[in-house]
Amino acid sequence: AQKVTQAQTEISVVEKEDVTLDCVYETRDTTYYLFWYKQPPSGELVFLIRRNSFDEQNEISGRYSWNFQKSTSSFNFTITASQVVDSAVYFCALDDSGNTPLVFGKGTRLSVIA
Amino acid sequence: DAEITQSPRHKITETGRQVTLACHQTWNHNNMFWYRQDLGHGLRLIHYSYGVQDTNKGEVSDGYSVSRSNTEDLPLTLESAASSQTSVYFCASSGGLAGGNEQFFGPGTRLTVL
Repeated sequence: AQKVTQAQTEISVVEKEDVTLDCVYETRDTTYYLFWYKQPPSGELVFLIRRNSFDEQNEISGRYSWNFQKSTSSFNFTITASQVVDSAVYFCALDDSGNTPLVFGKGTRLSVIA
Repeated sequence: DAEITQSPRHKITETGRQVTLACHQTWNHNNMFWYRQDLGHGLRLIHYSYGVQDTNKGEVSDGYSVSRSNTEDLPLTLESAASSQTSVYFCASSGGLAGGNEQFFGPGTRLTVL
C-alpha cells in the first residue's frame, strides 16, 4: 500500500537559515509520481513540484531545491536562505498506480522567524 | 482563466442537518476529489470521481456522498451532519487519464457543526 511519511511535524528556523523538509514514501509500483504542495497561512494549497520515478535528477527553483533518492525512498525539500514568507505547511504526496488519487503526508509546519 | 471554486466558504450548521458543499471547476478536468483537513491528520480523501456518473469512496467516506452529473461539478453532501465532521473541506481537480497529474485545489470550505 502507498504511504507518505513526513516525520517532522513542526520546524522553526531563523530567517536566512537553510531548512530541509523530509519526505519518505512507500510504494510497490515502479512508476510513480511525487509532489510537494505549500499551504500558506491564507489556507490555499499551492503546487510546487512534480517528479516522476524515472527522473532522479535534483531540481532547483530559486531558493527551493528537491532531492529525490529512490535508494532511500525519499523526496526531500530544501529551502535555502529562508524567508518569513516561506512560513507555511508543506505537504508531500504520492501518486503511484495512476488509478488512485494522491496520498498526502500529514504535513510539516514551517515557521520562519525574523 | 480556468479556476476551481467552492461554496459556501464558511458554513455553520446543526447536528443532524443535511449539508451540501459545492465544487465547480472550469478546467474541463475529468478527475475531481474531495478532501478534509484536520489538525494532525493532513489531507484525507473523502470521495473522488474520474468522470461523469463515476464516483468512488476514499479513506473517510462514511457519512458523505457525492454525485457527478456533469464534468464541472462534484457536490459533497453530508447526509446528517455530526460534530466530528467539523473540518475544512477542499475540492480538487486534475486532467488526463494517466497518473501523475497535478491537482488544482479550490479555496476550501470551513464547516462547523454545532
